[in-house]
Amino acid sequence: DTEVTQTPKHLVMGMTNKKSLKCEQHMGHRAMYWYKQKAKKPPELMFVYSYEKLSINESVPSRFSPECPNSSLLNLHLHALQPEDSALYLCASSQGPQRGAGGYTQYFGPGTRLTVL
Amino acid sequence: AQSVTQLDSQVPVFEEAPVELRCNYSSSVSVYLFWYVQYPNQGLQLLLKYLSGSTLVKGINGFEAEFNKSQTSFHLRKPSVHISDTAEYFCAARETSGSRLTFGEGTQLTVNP
Repeated sequence: DTEVTQTPKHLVMGMTNKKSLKCEQHMGHRAMYWYKQKAKKPPELMFVYSYEKLSINESVPSRFSPECPNSSLLNLHLHALQPEDSALYLCASSQGPQRGAGGYTQYFGPGTRLTVL
Repeated sequence: AQSVTQLDSQVPVFEEAPVELRCNYSSSVSVYLFWYVQYPNQGLQLLLKYLSGSTLVKGINGFEAEFNKSQTSFHLRKPSVHISDTAEYFCAARETSGSRLTFGEGTQLTVNP
């Protein structure tokens, strides 16, 4: 089973709202990722959590705030977003380097389509 | 730093024809290579991966890819495509000692009846 789930599927928010995206995996993976994808473009890495600790922040604006409450769950808190933040937000997970080369394979969720008005 | 180049942004083909989607990578160290497919309004699905061993890799949905170290290529092939293969295809690379996945710009495969 290589399933990563994301909720909600769609989200529309105003620039003053606060909302959260949720990602979950039950594969025992120890690395989790947030990506942003604009139309007709490849995903862009935002954050990486390894063993529940933030290991990479790709200079993402502070209006995006990640959280990893436990090894199965990853949240992305959104506040005061701009219309240009509208995109597909993808979560991914991988086993982690302790599983050898295969541990680096990332499995993606279906994404949350975010629209900022 | 590594980079991934997908040589064709769009590939139109007729149903039941063979197809090849081209991918070249550039890296000063060893890499792992991946192909992902993205159907409209969906996430990325892993098609296949090359980690080590046999250079010919078979994936899901009848796709295969061949790792060519001398040409730094990892082209994706399918001998006979279906309408349902219409999607965006991304080639990606990850350094064996790194943590970032570098994507190509994607190739839109359109299968026409």
